[in-house]
Amino acid sequence: GAGVSQSPRYKVAKRGQDVALRCDPISGHVSLFWYQQALGQGPEFLTYFQNEAQLDKSGLPSDRFFAERPEGSVSTLKIQRTQQEDSAVYLCASIGASGNTDTQYFGPGTRLTVL
Amino acid sequence: LAKTTQPISMDSYEGQEVNITCSHNNIATNDYITWYQQFPSQGPRFIIQGYKTKVTNEVASLFIPADRKSSTLSLPRVSLSDTAVYYCLVGGGYNKLIFGAGTRLAVHP
Repeated sequence: GAGVSQSPRYKVAKRGQDVALRCDPISGHVSLFWYQQALGQGPEFLTYFQNEAQLDKSGLPSDRFFAERPEGSVSTLKIQRTQQEDSAVYLCASIGASGNTDTQYFGPGTRLTVL
Repeated sequence: LAKTTQPISMDSYEGQEVNITCSHNNIATNDYITWYQQFPSQGPRFIIQGYKTKVTNEVASLFIPADRKSSTLSLPRVSLSDTAVYYCLVGGGYNKLIFGAGTRLAVHP
């Protein structure tokens, strides 16, 4: 079954390094979301794509965070010059064209640890 | 977007029915109520959604009173595998989900 997949599952970075996190949504899903989940908290919205268009990036915490989805399928979340406060699980979710925006399909997440 | 309030944690035993109540006093007319479940090291998973009265699926039931200012997720005969965090969300037609801290349910043998 082709659910949402994310890679890597775990990433350890030294402070100041750049990282790239990948999301493969369910095939054919139009909308793609990124969320950040700190330990013990609920996920927090980062950004939203409809096909290749980034329609909402209001949740990105700083200009060190950048997301792209150039061909409307795979998406990459890039974090430049990582800081310790960036340590979190980064979740990707997608829905189809006729999908209810309240019923998103989530991937397993990438756990980022910044030392 | 309406804010939700739910208990931080709950404990139960295998075979019992568990009811988790969520308050959402400022729910808007066109808002739906949606519940997600999250296991450790996994992303949230949609459980159930409703607008009013009662909704039931193979996993849970959702009870919504007439004023819609609260809702109750009911899990029948829980097992150890139901140990998870349960999130109540309120919204409709928005492009992002707004999660609170959720309710940590621990099911004991």
